Amino acid sequence: GQQVMQIPQYQHVQEGEDFTTYCNSSTTLSNIQWYKQRPGGHPVFLIQLVKSGEVKKQKRLTFQFGEAKKNSSLHITATQTTDVGTYFCAGRPLSSGGGADGLTFGKGTHLIIQP
Amino acid sequence: KAGVTQTPRYLIKTRGQQVTLSCSPISGHRSVSWYQQTPGQGLQFLFEYFSETQRNKGNFPGRFSGRQFSNSRSEMNVSTLELGDSALYLCASSLGHFVYEQYFGPGTRLTVT
Repeated sequence: GQQVMQIPQYQHVQEGEDFTTYCNSSTTLSNIQWYKQRPGGHPVFLIQLVKSGEVKKQKRLTFQFGEAKKNSSLHITATQTTDVGTYFCAGRPLSSGGGADGLTFGKGTHLIIQP
Repeated sequence: KAGVTQTPRYLIKTRGQQVTLSCSPISGHRSVSWYQQTPGQGLQFLFEYFSETQRNKGNFPGRFSGRQFSNSRSEMNVSTLELGDSALYLCASSLGHFVYEQYFGPGTRLTVT
């Protein structure tokens, strides 16, 4: 079945440093979504990327979808304490069944910020 | 607009028992998905329902089942509970099937003793 790998598992940064998490799928994706989960909370949708090579920005966050639609990245510029949490990517395979597979999540990257 | 609600929030059961968890999606959302979250395995997809039909199913044993009602509310059932079923069970709703973002509920924390 489809696998979505996400690295690193943990990332410690000093406040103000940049942060990047990478997501790789074993199969071509129809789209990729990113979620953030704060400690003790539930995942919250951040963004969805659909097109090959797509880049989207949300303030200090930059999301990219690879040309082959098999990888994606999330980059945070100048991290703040409010960025603490776990960032998940999630994708659906590009299948001829048009949605025959559920959303597969990566295991997430835990962002820890040291003041 | 009210968010996704899940009941109960916490549950303690013993091995061999069965449990039913409930999820009420955001008004107007027709798709409901269920996930199991554990520290070791992360977020694992259980199943997805759209218009009362199961559209997708994850790699879980048949002890895990679910259904969706005409008002889009959903339930999942786990029979013959095992210790390894202890987890946070998250429900997520979306407007439609396949390409829409998901809105998660707070989850039900199930502990099996």
